[in-house]
Amino acid sequence: DAGVIQSPRHEVTEMGQEVTLRCKPISGHDYLFWYRQTMMRGLELLIYFNNNVPIDDSGMPEDRFSAKMPNASFSTLKIQPSEPRDSAVYFCASSPDRVDQPQHFGDGTRLSIL
Amino acid sequence: AQSVTQPDIHITVSEGASLELRCNYSYGATPYLFWYVQSPGQGLQLLLKYFSGDTLVQGIKGFEAEFKRSQSSFNLRKPSVHWSDAAEYFCAVGVRTGGFKTIFGAGTRLFVKA
Repeated sequence: DAGVIQSPRHEVTEMGQEVTLRCKPISGHDYLFWYRQTMMRGLELLIYFNNNVPIDDSGMPEDRFSAKMPNASFSTLKIQPSEPRDSAVYFCASSPDRVDQPQHFGDGTRLSIL
Repeated sequence: AQSVTQPDIHITVSEGASLELRCNYSYGATPYLFWYVQSPGQGLQLLLKYFSGDTLVQGIKGFEAEFKRSQSSFNLRKPSVHWSDAAEYFCAVGVRTGGFKTIFGAGTRLFVKA
């Protein structure tokens, strides 16, 4: 079975540029989560969707961050404009609609903003 | 408020020695508990989960965890650690808040010495 697929795996760009991270969840999973991981803050939940609808975006750090899920098989996390402090590993995860079911994580996108 | 506490930021054990990683949670309802492992450059992978029944649960890679309701704990154990177990370990609790999400602890990094 294909797992959660994220692209790109690595992204290096200059500050001020727009960055788009992509995620394909596991087919049939109703929930999709975006996380950010840094040494200082650990694993932070940014936003999550249920059936393509954003449920909780309270973790999105600033208006520069936005996320969309146009259909059940695709989601994007966009940063515009990017800043050096946005450098982190961004993970996407998906899960079925069951609180007792685990999340399945992608391998992440390592983002470096110069 | 729901929370997960992993009191040890990092632990070092010798190869072949036993391991116990601590986890305490705060959640008013029936907890759905998970342990995940993250190897360098990868996303989180489920080790084991508990949501009912036998309080001692077995997971992959020889890990087990014991749920103790009276102590609000869900400690992870392994009788004999292998060098390949060096990774970061996350304890988590699944909660329902409108939708549902998983709350992760800060993680414990395990170092294994020869």
